[in-house]
Parts: sequence; structure tokens; C-alpha cells
Amino acid sequence: EADIYQTPRYLVIGTGKKITLECSQTMGHDKMYWYQQDPGMELHLIHYSYGVNSTEKGDLSSESTVSRIRTEHFPLTLESARPSHTSQYLCASSDRGGPYGYTFGSGTRLTVV
Amino acid sequence: AQSVTQPDIHITVSEGASLELRCNYSYGATPYLFWYVQSPGQGLQLLLKYFSGDTLVQGIKGFEAEFKRSQSSFNLRKPSVHWSDAAEYFCAVGYSGGGADGLTFGKGTHLIIQP
Repeated sequence: EADIYQTPRYLVIGTGKKITLECSQTMGHDKMYWYQQDPGMELHLIHYSYGVNSTEKGDLSSESTVSRIRTEHFPLTLESARPSHTSQYLCASSDRGGPYGYTFGSGTRLTVV
Repeated sequence: AQSVTQPDIHITVSEGASLELRCNYSYGATPYLFWYVQSPGQGLQLLLKYFSGDTLVQGIKGFEAEFKRSQSSFNLRKPSVHWSDAAEYFCAVGYSGGGADGLTFGKGTHLIIQP
């Protein structure tokens, strides 16, 4: 059973629109992560959080922003979507931290036209 | 920085045959190693992980992996594949301390099962 939920699963949106990808987990994990995954490519860490009011940028530069106001919620926002943002976005959480493994959500596949 | 190499982009195996997916990592200390599986349109599911101890690790769905320090490898194996094993498989490495607290993933191996 999935304990980490991402919505929407699929999103097609026009250039210049503001979008928010939702991620929620019910496991009480402090650490949460956003990965970007392009087809046929590895996953790249774009944001992570160690807890409420904590956010950090990951290895891959991203124009997106994140917030962590509640433990269970870690939304990702794009202020002005562009076709280069077309990708799959995966949210994950962990109780002990990234090196010990994650629980992943089902992902949001974003297409910007 | 650590890196993960999965040399095979695609592998085709007949149903019932054995499977080995290769993974090599680059990191000085003992890493934490993982194999994840991703079905189409889904997130990643953890198959197995190695932190320390016995170098042969058992996972879910009949998979196992062996950590070989001398070869910097963590290959995934299954003695007899099923059609439902068709998916994308990702090897990942993590380490404790310093920098972004995340896993580094390989580019994945796409497994195709022939009837």
C-alpha cells in the first residue's frame, strides 16, 4: 500500500502557467525528497527537506521551488512552466535519511506544451 | 562524488530463464547499495538493500544481489524470471554525511521478457 501520495498523476499544461505538484506522506517521516526523471535517464535530486521549515537544493539545478510547512506535505511549485520542464517528478520520504533508502510516490508526469 | 554505472540499457530474457543485471559503483568507502524496480507509470519500489554484513542479500519477488567489494559491484539476480518482472531496474548508492542527503542512481536497465 502506498503511504506517499502524489497528485496529479499526469498534467498537461501550457507554457507560462504556474503549477504545484503535491506530495503527501502518512508515515511521519521527517526527510522528504523530490527527484526529476527524464525518459531513459537516471533520477536527479532537485530538492530535499530534513523537516518543517527546512528545504535544500539538490544536485541538479531546478527552477522549481519547494516548501515544508507541515511534516506530511512537501509541494513543488513552478512559477512559469516551460517545455524544458517536461519530465517525471518523483517524491520520496525516509525516516533515517537518504543513504538508508526511500519510499517513493507514484510520480507526476508533467508535459508543458 | 559517487557514481553508479548500469552497463546494460536493455536486456531481453525468456520467461523462466535466469537473470543478472549489472551494477558498478564508484565510491571510496563502503556504500549503502540499493536496487529499485519501476513499472510503467509508477514510482520506484525497493527490491533489496545492502548496508553491511552478509554480502548476499535477499529481496522481494525472488530477487537477490551480491556485493563484491573487489569489483565495486552489486549485481542483481533472479533464477527464473516471470513476465511480470518486465520493468525498469535502478541501482543506487548512498553514503552518510556531507553534501546533499540523497541517493545517486544509475540510468536504469530496461528488462524485456520474451514468452
